[in-house]
Amino acid sequence: DAGVTQSPTHLIKTRGQQVTLRCSPKSGHDTVSWYQQALGQGPQFIFQYYEEEERQRGNFPDRFSGHQFPNYSSELNVNALLLGDSALYLCASNLWGGQETQYFGPGTRLLVL
Amino acid sequence: QQPVQSPQAVILREGEDAVINCSSSKALYSVHWYRQKHGEAPVFLMILLKGGEQKGHEKISASFNEKKQQSSLYLTASQLSYSGTYFCGTAKETSGSRLTFGEGTQLTVNP
Repeated sequence: DAGVTQSPTHLIKTRGQQVTLRCSPKSGHDTVSWYQQALGQGPQFIFQYYEEEERQRGNFPDRFSGHQFPNYSSELNVNALLLGDSALYLCASNLWGGQETQYFGPGTRLLVL
Repeated sequence: QQPVQSPQAVILREGEDAVINCSSSKALYSVHWYRQKHGEAPVFLMILLKGGEQKGHEKISASFNEKKQQSSLYLTASQLSYSGTYFCGTAKETSGSRLTFGEGTQLTVNP
């Protein structure tokens, strides 16, 4: 049973650049959520995708955007990178409307210089 | 609003017990507990749905007091592998909706 996968595992960018992170949900799941985790803090919700639409959004600027594909995989795009965007980006998946929790992928560690 | 976890950190000797609390000021649908080791993704431990149920998983169990909007995670006879940061995530709607995480409780188990 394939779990949540993310790519790349690590990424180094400079201020002002753009980045795309990728996520494949756990087998059988159709909903993908993205979280940002700064060092020493809990994950912060960015947004959630279901049926290729953004369903919920956290308190993040429009520089953060996403997409979900028909195969349920998802991308997170961040434009005009700031130093403060350096963090671990986690993708989580679940079945829409289910009673189960969200399962997390290994994350992508982004460093902005 | 972010749930409040306590304590912020706890140090145990192998075999000792610990309790980690998670409180919310808002009505919750569910509470989700995760453990995260350094540099790794959060690993799901258990979910508590509103209704005040208690669940167990070997030596780790949890309860959810719907009246108080508070959940507690109980770790008994701790093992070295229990070390990590424990997060509670709360959901106001369905369990699959956005999770709001506390700041975490750092647990260290020493030999």
